Amino acid sequence: GAGVSQSPRYKVAKRGQDVALRCDPISGHVSLFWYQQALGQGPEFLTYFQNEAQLDKSGLPSDRFFAERPEGSVSTLKIQRTQQEDSAVYLCASSFGLAGDADTQYFGPGTRLTVL
Amino acid sequence: GQQLNQSPQSMFIQEGEDVSMNCTSSSIFNTWLWYKQEPGEGPVLLIALYKAGELTSNGRLTAQFGITRKDSFLNISASIPSDVGIYFCAGQKQGSGYALNFGKGTSLLVTP
Repeated sequence: GAGVSQSPRYKVAKRGQDVALRCDPISGHVSLFWYQQALGQGPEFLTYFQNEAQLDKSGLPSDRFFAERPEGSVSTLKIQRTQQEDSAVYLCASSFGLAGDADTQYFGPGTRLTVL
Repeated sequence: GQQLNQSPQSMFIQEGEDVSMNCTSSSIFNTWLWYKQEPGEGPVLLIALYKAGELTSNGRLTAQFGITRKDSFLNISASIPSDVGIYFCAGQKQGSGYALNFGKGTSLLVTP
């Protein structure tokens, strides 16, 4: 079976543009996470979904960041009015378990966003 | 923000040498994990530790969950060139669906 996939793999945006990053989790995985990885750093948690419900968005840096998972499978991370500090790799991960289960998280390859 | 302190930041070793890296935290975690990330890819899980004091091996890799639940180490024995990559420790605690808290990573270079 396929792993977690993300698209696009690379995105260059001009400052002020809106971008949308897509994540296709492993089929049947209930939990979905978004992480932001700045250059030379470890990934940092952005937000968490259990099925279609966004249960935690405490890691989103500002109200310019918005994530959705309307049917409980594919998720989109949207960044409005991009700024240079938004440049990073955005990683998506999914796991089988429900909240409260420390199941293995499987990561996608990430989308590298560069804001000029 | 990140709560984990990982060291060393980088290592440059010869093939066949053993490697040791560690991670400490100011917080208690329920689970410690070690991931490897290669260029252009997402992190891949190497070892997961679920109990304080647990020592777990995966081939040439050995990791331990500290007794205080605030630290962990990873050892790689007899390194080979394909061990090159960035190794991250990560802690999980209840809440947020067990979102991962990562260290800053240890960059490993192995020369033949």
